[in-house]
Amino acid sequence: ETGVTQSPTHLIKTRGQQVTLRCSSQSGHNTVSWYQQALGQGPQFIFQYYREEENGRGNFPPRFSGLQFPNYSSELNVNALELDDSALYLCASSVDRAQPQHFGDGTRLSIL
Amino acid sequence: GQQVMQIPQYQHVQEGEDFTTYCNSSTTLSNIQWYKQRPGGHPVFLIQLVKSGEVKKQKRLTFQFGEAKKNSSLHITATQTTDVGTYFCAGYSNTGNQFYFGTGTSLTVIP
Repeated sequence: ETGVTQSPTHLIKTRGQQVTLRCSSQSGHNTVSWYQQALGQGPQFIFQYYREEENGRGNFPPRFSGLQFPNYSSELNVNALELDDSALYLCASSVDRAQPQHFGDGTRLSIL
Repeated sequence: GQQVMQIPQYQHVQEGEDFTTYCNSSTTLSNIQWYKQRPGGHPVFLIQLVKSGEVKKQKRLTFQFGEAKKNSSLHITATQTTDVGTYFCAGYSNTGNQFYFGTGTSLTVIP
């Protein structure tokens, strides 16, 4: 089975710009969760999509938004980038909402 | 807000010694998952516990879920250098439908 893949691997943006990060889930996994992981910290839950609908959301502002598509791909969009948005962004897919998660390698986002 | 804390934050052990990390949630969880993350890597799923008081073993690793479903522990017997990494617990809350990751315990094993 194919794993979870994320693109791009690294990205550099400036304050105020917008960014779209992409994730391809494992086939058959109808749930995808996105996380922000700052250096030396645990992953912080951004939101979760289940069958293309947002199922839960962490303590992140509305400028963080997402989409999940029927072909097991998903996107994380961040508008009006701030310096504090610099982090590793991880997506994780699972067969259902509370089930074990399979993580991608992440996208390292740097904001200048 | 909901928090999941882990102690200790760091642990250095001699190879062959035992290691334990503890995970404590401020609220009841529907399940708890444990992950291992190597430096530069992504979290890798180890195990999931669902029932109150549940204990599961994987070779040298023993996982426990507390009776109140608010705490958990991971114990490694006779550590090896391959055990190096950061161990995270992650609890799922049906209130808000979200995962809460712990703060992590970084394990260093000295050969």
